[in-house]
Amino acid sequence: RKEVEQDPGPFNVPEGATVAFNCTYSNSASQSFFWYRQDCRKEPKLLMSVYSSGNEDGRFTAQLNRASQYISLLIRDSKLSDSATYLCVVNSGYSTLTFGKGTMLLVSP
Amino acid sequence: SQTIHQWPATLVQPVGSPLSLECTVEGTSNPNLYWYRQAAGRGLQLLFYSVGIGQISSEVPQNLSASRPQDRQFILSSKKLLLSDSGFYLCAGLKETGPEEAFFGQGTRLTVV
Repeated sequence: RKEVEQDPGPFNVPEGATVAFNCTYSNSASQSFFWYRQDCRKEPKLLMSVYSSGNEDGRFTAQLNRASQYISLLIRDSKLSDSATYLCVVNSGYSTLTFGKGTMLLVSP
Repeated sequence: SQTIHQWPATLVQPVGSPLSLECTVEGTSNPNLYWYRQAAGRGLQLLFYSVGIGQISSEVPQNLSASRPQDRQFILSSKKLLLSDSGFYLCAGLKETGPEEAFFGQGTRLTVV
């Protein structure tokens, strides 16, 4: 089983839609979780950290389910500018971050 | 703030030629540093990480090597490039405070021809 798995997509949604991504991780000892956004041919940038209690930042909501070992990202009211690849990232200890391969989102007018 | 400077932004090298990519860190001391590679249409693959000067851990066997001659300098090298070394190379560090989120350099797009 791969350490961090994501559906590669692409997810094609119209503007204004709500879209959700899931990510599963294999190491139950993992401590920290993040969602990064990567635009084409650019470096990844932190979108948000994921906390056990769940957290929200504007149109973005992240959830963590430790029992099932998955993380989710919900984007409401999608904008054209949300088109990007979303990377699920897990810190499994020893300060090493493991990246999923990413889920591509395409928002169309 | 913690930032990474990475250069060059793009590089085209012939097969068999050597490689040296450098990144430097500002705004923090003794950071954990990482080299990742992203092949076309694929995820980020951890190549090397370093917790301090002269300390290098290799994650994937290959014809690449890394060195950390100074606290804030991390170098990725190869003596002879292969076609399969083409990709997007990213240097990253971990923030000192808060959750251990990574910050990245702008990346080097390497094409081996």
